[in-house]
This record gives sequence, structure tokens and C-alpha cells, in this order.
Amino acid sequence: GQQLNQSPQSMFIQEGEDVSMNCTSSSIFNTWLWYKQEPGEGPVLLIALYKAGELTSNGRLTAQFGITRKDSFLNISASIPSDVGIYFCAGQLVGSGGSNYKLTFGKGTLLTVNP
Amino acid sequence: DSGVTQTPKHLITATGQRVTLRCSPRSGDLSVYWYQQSLDQGLQFLIQYYNGEERAKGNILERFSAQQFPDLHSELNLSSLELGDSALYFCASSVQGGAEQYFGPGTRLTVT
Repeated sequence: GQQLNQSPQSMFIQEGEDVSMNCTSSSIFNTWLWYKQEPGEGPVLLIALYKAGELTSNGRLTAQFGITRKDSFLNISASIPSDVGIYFCAGQLVGSGGSNYKLTFGKGTLLTVNP
Repeated sequence: DSGVTQTPKHLITATGQRVTLRCSPRSGDLSVYWYQQSLDQGLQFLIQYYNGEERAKGNILERFSAQQFPDLHSELNLSSLELGDSALYFCASSVQGGAEQYFGPGTRLTVT
């Protein structure tokens, strides 16, 4: 089945630094999404990407859909303490007849920001 | 707040028991998805419903079942519970079958 490799597994950075994380897949996806999860909460959608090569921003967050459709990356600029959490990539491949919309998730990147 | 609600927030039960988790999707969303999150397996897709009908199945055990009711809320039933079923269970919803899925706060299930 489809597997997503997300790296790095964890990051410990100083406030104000930029952060970069990425996700690669053994197969192609139609859509890439990035979520953030904080302790005791559900994943929150940050960015959705729909076209190969697409670059999308959401405030200090920027994500790109790789040209090969097998990878995506997320950048966070000028990190702040509230950026702390686990960041997940997720890919979606619509099945035959458009019936299967499940998301396949990476294992997550744990981000710690030191004030 | 995603607009997706889940109850209960926490559930503690014994092995062999049966529990029901409930989810109400965002207003207007027709699709509901159930995911299981554990430390070793991460977030795993279980099952999807669209407007009352099952649309896709993931790695859902035969001891687990779900349904979506006419008012679009969904229930996930877990039976003959085992210690390994302890996990966070999330419900997500989307407009039709879209990629942008919005997650609820989850139900933490502990099987003792």
C-alpha cells in the first residue's frame, strides 16, 4: 500500500528560525495536505495543494506540491513558540469512480521552539 | 474549532466490552471519515461514509463497525475490545468527498 516518509522526525529550534520538513511517497497523489496537531486536540488543516508544482502560502507557512506528485514540503518562517506541535503530511489519491477519498498520513514531525 | 464534534472525550472500559463513539460532522458536510491514532501506527484510516452509505474501507477490524444516520451523524462501534484497541479515535468530515477533511477533537479510548 501507499506509504509516506516524513522527515525529520523531530526538530528543536530557536524562536525566529525558519523550519523545513518534507514528505515523500512511493506512489503519486492527487492532493497533498499539511496538518498540525497539538496535545489533546485533533489535526488542524493548514494547507491543501492540488496541482503538481503548486506553491501555496498561509501566513508564515509555505508548502509545495512536488513536480513528480510523490513529494511535498512545508516551510515555516520566523518560528514562534505557538508553532510547537506535530506536523503531519497527508496524501490523497482518488480511487476509481472517485469513491475513495481516504487520506494517507506521514508519521509526523515534532517541532519544539525554544523561546 | 473545526465544527466537528465527538463524544465522549474519554472512555475507559475493560477487555471484551463494546463501546460506541459518536461524531457530528460540520454543517453541510456529507462525508464522514473515521481514523485511529496510536503511537506505533500513527493515523490510520478506518472507514468513510457519504450521505449514509459506506464509501471506502481501510484497515478496519471485523470487530469494528460504523454507520451514518439520516441526520448525517455517525457512530463507530467497537466490540470485543482488546488492550491493543486503546488509541485516539478521530472523526473527520468534508464537503462531499473532498480532500480537505476537518477533524474533531477525538475520543481517547483506554481498554484495561
